[in-house]
Amino acid sequence: DAGVIQSPRHEVTEMGQEVTLRCKPISGHNSLFWYRQTMMRGLELLIYFNNNVPIDDSGMPEDRFSAKMPNASFSTLKIQPSEPRDSAVYFCASSLIEGYQPQHFGDGTRLSIL
Amino acid sequence: AQKITQTQPGMFVQEKEAVTLDCTYDTSDPSYGLFWYKQPSSGEMIFLIYQGSYDQQNATEGRYSLNFQKARKSANLVISASQLGDSAMYFCAMREGAFSGGYNKLIFGAGTRLAVHP
Repeated sequence: DAGVIQSPRHEVTEMGQEVTLRCKPISGHNSLFWYRQTMMRGLELLIYFNNNVPIDDSGMPEDRFSAKMPNASFSTLKIQPSEPRDSAVYFCASSLIEGYQPQHFGDGTRLSIL
Repeated sequence: AQKITQTQPGMFVQEKEAVTLDCTYDTSDPSYGLFWYKQPSSGEMIFLIYQGSYDQQNATEGRYSLNFQKARKSANLVISASQLGDSAMYFCAMREGAFSGGYNKLIFGAGTRLAVHP
């Protein structure tokens, strides 16, 4: 079975550029999560969706960050304009809402903003 | 207050020995779930084991077991017969239940870095 698929795996771009991270959740999962991981702040939940609807975006750092989930099989996290402090590993995870199902993580996108 | 506390930033263990990674949690919700994840140096997050607050028995998955002490609000991960490949960062996480709003997000601890020595 295919796991959570993220693209790209690595992204290096210059400050001010738009960055789009993509995620395909596990088929059948109805909950999707975006996380950011840095050495300083650890693992932070940015936003999550249930049934394609954003439930909690309180972790989104600022207006430069936006996330969408147009359908059950695709989500994007966009940063515009990007800044060096956005450099981090960004994870997407998915799970079933019902019960206490574990979240399954993608391999992450390592983002470097120069 | 921290909802999930992992007090050991780093641990080391000799290969083939058992090791316990500590996790304490804080919730007033009677229904919750506890999870452990492993993050090796390659970076992926791997789900290891789950314990429900109403489960009567401690969860086990192969060499992983969870020492669940509800009254103490602790959910320690026990790895038996450590292997070199167990060297990784380990995260404890909790999902609260309907009493806390029914949100299905996980609250993660800061993690414990485990080094297995040959």
